Amino acid sequence: DFVMTQTPLSLSVTPGQPASISCKSSQSLRHNDGKTYLYWYLQKPGQSPQLLIYEISSRFSGVPERFSGSGSGTDFTLKISRVEAEDVGIYYCMQAIDVPYTFGQGTKLEIK
Amino acid sequence: EVQLVESGGGLVRPGGSLRLSCEASGFTFSSYAMYWVRQAPVKGLEFVATISSNGISTYYANSVKGRFTISRDNSKNTLYLQMGSLRPEDMAVYYCVRGNAAAEFDYWGQGAQVTVSS
Repeated sequence: DFVMTQTPLSLSVTPGQPASISCKSSQSLRHNDGKTYLYWYLQKPGQSPQLLIYEISSRFSGVPERFSGSGSGTDFTLKISRVEAEDVGIYYCMQAIDVPYTFGQGTKLEIK
Repeated sequence: EVQLVESGGGLVRPGGSLRLSCEASGFTFSSYAMYWVRQAPVKGLEFVATISSNGISTYYANSVKGRFTISRDNSKNTLYLQMGSLRPEDMAVYYCVRGNAAAEFDYWGQGAQVTVSS
């Protein structure tokens, strides 16, 4: 199985400041079809996870522009340009190149 | 509006069985692969099982293979997870999730709590 490793596991950020989360995969997530199957999800307190970013850098419908994704191969990053109070929760990366899909351990974002 | 509503969760003794259901609405259910993903208490997310849009192909996590069965009834827009030989480590919130080749896991249900305890 693909192993996904996130860092840091927790983050405390002042509103208006940027935040960055790293996700590394044990194998390349680039498929023969040219796509890279790396996704980011946010689980807000008491809620189900919600899709933020698909295929490295495409924002899902309704996701604010302050969220951006980058990376290639095995190394990926989620960035929040200016953190807002509503961004608190746990962020997960996930690989979907092969079943079983696997998730990172999660990064908990708190507001200072 | 896409909606996924799970039901059937509850308390079951070790070794017991339970069937979860997920009723889908707001999209053409028969066109999408579907998944079950679980989250144990204060833990991360774990893939459990998936089924193709036509119900022919399935895949299971090693941790549930041989004990759980995923199925679907496209005429009823409903996904199922039959869970047997339940263990304490199966205790989790089980989410029904839509697969989407363009944007995987784009919609999640609210989750069904499964508690395994004597």
